[in-house]
Amino acid sequence: EVQLVESGGGLIQSGGSLRLSCAASGFTFSSYAMSWVRQAPGKGLEWVSSINSPGGSTYYADSVKGRFSISRDNSKNTLSLLMNSLRVEDTAVYYCVKALGSGGGNEIDYWGQGTLVTVSS
Amino acid sequence: QAGLTQPPSVSKGLRQTATLTCTGNSNNVGDQGATWLQQHQGHPPKLLSYRNNNRPSGISERLSASRSGDTASLTITGLQPEDEADYYCLAWDSSLSAHVFGGGTRLTVL
Repeated sequence: EVQLVESGGGLIQSGGSLRLSCAASGFTFSSYAMSWVRQAPGKGLEWVSSINSPGGSTYYADSVKGRFSISRDNSKNTLSLLMNSLRVEDTAVYYCVKALGSGGGNEIDYWGQGTLVTVSS
Repeated sequence: QAGLTQPPSVSKGLRQTATLTCTGNSNNVGDQGATWLQQHQGHPPKLLSYRNNNRPSGISERLSASRSGDTASLTITGLQPEDEADYYCLAWDSSLSAHVFGGGTRLTVL
C-alpha cells in the first residue's frame, strides 16, 4: 500500500524558513517523480513543485520560484521542500504527491494527508 | 501560471446525471488530457480518472471521463449523496513545464 506521510509543518513568522519532509513507502520511491501541492484555507489546489525520479530535474510554480527548493533522497525514500522567505500567502496545507511515472510531467496518482503551514505577519 | 477553467458550482438532484467540465488549451488539456480528482471537506484529494480517461481500481462505474479538443469532462450518473464534493481537474502544461489545476467545481446533490 502506498503511504506518503508529511511532516515539518507549523507556525512560522513571515520571512522565515521551514523544511517539509515526506516519508514514502509501499512503492519503489526511486522510480517515480514526486510533487508538492498546496491548498490555502477554503481555497482550491495549487501545484507548487515537482522533481523527476533521479532528482536531476525540478519544476516550480512562478509563485514560489526562487524561494522554495524541492529535493529527494532516494536512499531514504524521502522528499523534501525547503521554503525560504515565507509569506502570509504561503499559508496552506501542503500535500506530498506521487506521480504515475518517472518524469516531472507525469500525472499524479497518490496523495498524502498533508501538513499545515501557517505564516504569520 | 494560468489555470484551467471549471464552473464554480453545479447542482443536480438525487439519481440525476451531472457533467463537469474543464477547459484548457492545446498545451495542456488538448495535449495530454486531464486528471480528475474528488475532495471531500477535510480530506485530501482522491484520484477519480487518469488522463487517458480510465478509472483507477475501486472507482465507481458511475463515473466516466472524456475529452473533446481542449475541454475535458467528468460525467457522474445516478447521483448519490456521497458524490457531493469538490471536483478538480489537473493537467501538465508542456509550454510552461508546470502542472495546472482548475479552480474546482462544488457539486451539490439536492
